[in-house]
Amino acid sequence: AQSVTQLDSHVSVSEGTPVLLRCNYSSSYSPSLFWYVQHPNKGLQLLLKYTSAATLVKGINGFEAEFKKSETSFHLTKPSAHMSDAAEYFCVVRINTGGFKTIFGAGTRLFVKA
Amino acid sequence: DTAVSQTPKYLVTQMGNDKSIKCEQNLGHDTMYWYKQDSKKFLKIMFSYNNKELIINETVPNRFSPKSPDKAHLNLHINSLELGDSAVYFCASSQTATNEKLFFGSGTQLSVL
Repeated sequence: AQSVTQLDSHVSVSEGTPVLLRCNYSSSYSPSLFWYVQHPNKGLQLLLKYTSAATLVKGINGFEAEFKKSETSFHLTKPSAHMSDAAEYFCVVRINTGGFKTIFGAGTRLFVKA
Repeated sequence: DTAVSQTPKYLVTQMGNDKSIKCEQNLGHDTMYWYKQDSKKFLKIMFSYNNKELIINETVPNRFSPKSPDKAHLNLHINSLELGDSAVYFCASSQTATNEKLFFGSGTQLSVL
């Protein structure tokens, strides 16, 4: 079975400190992996994606994620949090099982303290 | 210009009513989707249309009926609304059915009383 697990429902950091949002996946197929961000009352916006090229992927707003096949992880990081980063973050897996299937994680809410 | 726009933004209605949510994309994409986000923020796909043809239909009650008059529009009609239908509904599009990048609308918050 395919699944996505975001290990933390909430993460709280201080402004200027590093951000780590954790994501693990389970898939029998080679997945494409994504992180989306959702600000309050907004639709989701793509932050970055991994599609079997470089394992370290850089996205918008200073975020990056590293695909680690041995750990089946795709954690999202940012060196220094900004107040505007406060939002909900979704890890997403997409697999081709003859037809494409997209599976969303449950989301991690990031709080940034001044 | 908004790439994916959906209306209304908020919808409050009584149980048993029939309501529609409209979605339009001006990106020239072939594929459009409806997602449901529950109170725990969990997102689940409901339908997907490619060039006006249904390609994904997850386990959704028959009370939900999508309609795509052209590839730029995908409307969602809901009959006999129930309390459990309360959620945020997101429309999205992608360039093709195999293209991975999704563009989302800002959501329609449906509250069934």
